Amino acid sequence: GAVVSQHPSWVICKSGTSVKIECRSLDFQATTMFWYRQFPKQSLMLMATSNEGSKATYEQGVEKDKFLINHASLTLSTLTVTSAHPEDSSFYICSVRDRSFYGYTFGSGTRLTVV
Amino acid sequence: TQLLEQSPQFLSIQEGENLTVYCNSSSVFSSLQWYRQEPGEGPVLLVTVVTGGEVKKLKRLTFQFGDARKDSSLHITAAQPGDTGLYLCAGFGNEKLTFGTGTRLTIIP
Repeated sequence: GAVVSQHPSWVICKSGTSVKIECRSLDFQATTMFWYRQFPKQSLMLMATSNEGSKATYEQGVEKDKFLINHASLTLSTLTVTSAHPEDSSFYICSVRDRSFYGYTFGSGTRLTVV
Repeated sequence: TQLLEQSPQFLSIQEGENLTVYCNSSSVFSSLQWYRQEPGEGPVLLVTVVTGGEVKKLKRLTFQFGDARKDSSLHITAAQPGDTGLYLCAGFGNEKLTFGTGTRLTIIP
């Protein structure tokens, strides 16, 4: 499968500030990347599909103005949490659909804590 | 919205015992995957099943896809402490992966 790098692995920010999370596909050109959110003791919820060179597709209930996604190249997608609030504290994970038709590789996740 | 319900939600058993985790949906999926996730890490793919009725084995783990491609099961034989983790099923449909509710498995030495 693909090799996916996510950065940072954890971040603490003050309420009202913005945080950017990077997801890199290191060995595969990914036209599509996915962003998930996982609250403690819960499963992964798809937030949005990031499309290279075009606008992201957001899932129902996800605020696109709050969670800004940029997929400017085939190897990098970024998720910016704007005006973060404590309720945005969560584990954010990206994934890449790799070469094999059914293959998904996930990043190691970013633990965001908003204080 | 495609929903995948896993049962049980939590399972704690002794080392050496067998267990089965279920993943059920009212929706049909073109394929279904099982992942295992460790704390603080992303999920890691264990297996993909594609054909209704398909059975795949991965050492002590046996995965089955239901005939109607709406459900799946994961059976672990002779569980070991290293099997501890969060097990997630995920169905592929409508060009995206939908995760199940998760089963947190703890194997007691």
